[in-house]
Order: sequence, then C-alpha cells, then structure tokens
Amino acid sequence: QKEVEQNSGPLSVPEGAIASLNCTYSDRGSQSFFWYRQYSGKSPELIMSIYSNGDKEDGRFTAQLNKASQYVSLLIRDSQPSDSATYLCAVRPSSASKIIFGSGTRLSIRP
Amino acid sequence: GAVVSQHPSRVICKSGTSVKIECRSLDFQATTMFWYRQFPKKSLMLMATSNEGSKATYEQGVEKDKFLINHASLTLSTLTVTSAHPEDSSFYICSARDQLAGSTDTQYFGPGTRLTVL
Repeated sequence: QKEVEQNSGPLSVPEGAIASLNCTYSDRGSQSFFWYRQYSGKSPELIMSIYSNGDKEDGRFTAQLNKASQYVSLLIRDSQPSDSATYLCAVRPSSASKIIFGSGTRLSIRP
Repeated sequence: GAVVSQHPSRVICKSGTSVKIECRSLDFQATTMFWYRQFPKKSLMLMATSNEGSKATYEQGVEKDKFLINHASLTLSTLTVTSAHPEDSSFYICSARDQLAGSTDTQYFGPGTRLTVL
C-alpha cells in the first residue's frame, strides 16, 4: 500500500462546476496535510495546508480532513480553465521530517 | 508565502561535465531543504534531504557521489550533478521547510532547474 494515494485521473470537470480531489494516507499518526498545484513544466505551489479535522476554506478552495478515515480532500468551487493542472496531496508522517507526496491527480476544466 | 529561489533555471551541458544548482530561501531560515527530480509526466521523486551543517540523507537508489549536496548556511543548499550524462537530464526542484516557531511548518518549492545533458 502506498503511503499517500491519489487517483491519477484525468478528472474532467465543466467550467463553473465543483471539482473534488481525494487523497488517502496510511500513517494514522500523521499531523500535517497539504495540497499543491503543479502546472506542466513548473514546480509545485502550495494551495492549502490543514492540520485538524474538518473543513478549511480559502477563496474558492476548501480542504477537508477526516483523520478517522485517513482521508483528505480538496474542493474547488466555480472551476476555471486556469485550474487545469496536476494536484498533489502531501502528508507529513508523525515520525519524519519529510513530506510524502501522492502521485497527483490531473484535473482538466473544460470550457 | 515564503519564497525559494533556484539558479540556474535552465542549463544545457556536455556529457561528462558537472553542474551546480543553487537553492536559496529568501525570507526565512531553512535548517532542512529537500531535493527532488521529476521526469516528464511523472511524479516528484525525493532524492535527498539536506540538513544545515551536516551530511545529507539520500533516498534509496540515489548515488551520493553522483549528486553532491552541500547545505552550508540556513538559506543556501547546493546540488552538484557530477559527470553528468544524458540520463541525468531532468527537472530538478528544491524545497525548503519553514521551521520558525509559530510558522505553519510548511514546505515551499523553488521554481526548478531544467537540466539537459547532451
């Protein structure tokens, strides 16, 4: 079992709709969770970080964390073509300093 | 958010030469920096963790004599690809961890360096 799992996609969503990206992790003691966006040919940029159960909203983005289910998700409201990118879920396990990245979900917003 | 810079952004070199890539945290101190490699349409692959003032920790399968890492200060880490070969051509990305008290302990990425070895 991979430490951080994501569906590779591509996930195709119509413009203006809600895009839902999901991620599961294996280390139950993990405390820090991150979502990064990576455009083709560019490095990842941080979108959201979340540390406690529940929802965290920032503009059109909402991160959701459920530690009991070991599940973290990212919702993008009012999806725009500029949101088309690969979204990386990242988790910092309790006992390590390095972040473990998922393989990423490719999101495509169709006009 | 915090800013991490990398230099150069793009380098083309001949096979057998060595290439040095610099990674700097511009507005925060980073005791820990990370070096990743990414091939086209593939996932990020962690190569090594760079700790200020000590030896880097390399991931399994990464040759430490091939990829030399130096983290001489709290804001600078360097990766040297020694005797580069075409198979070393890749996108190299550094990341720095903001560990100041009260910060979110987040990892920020540099813009990456695209290495092409002819």
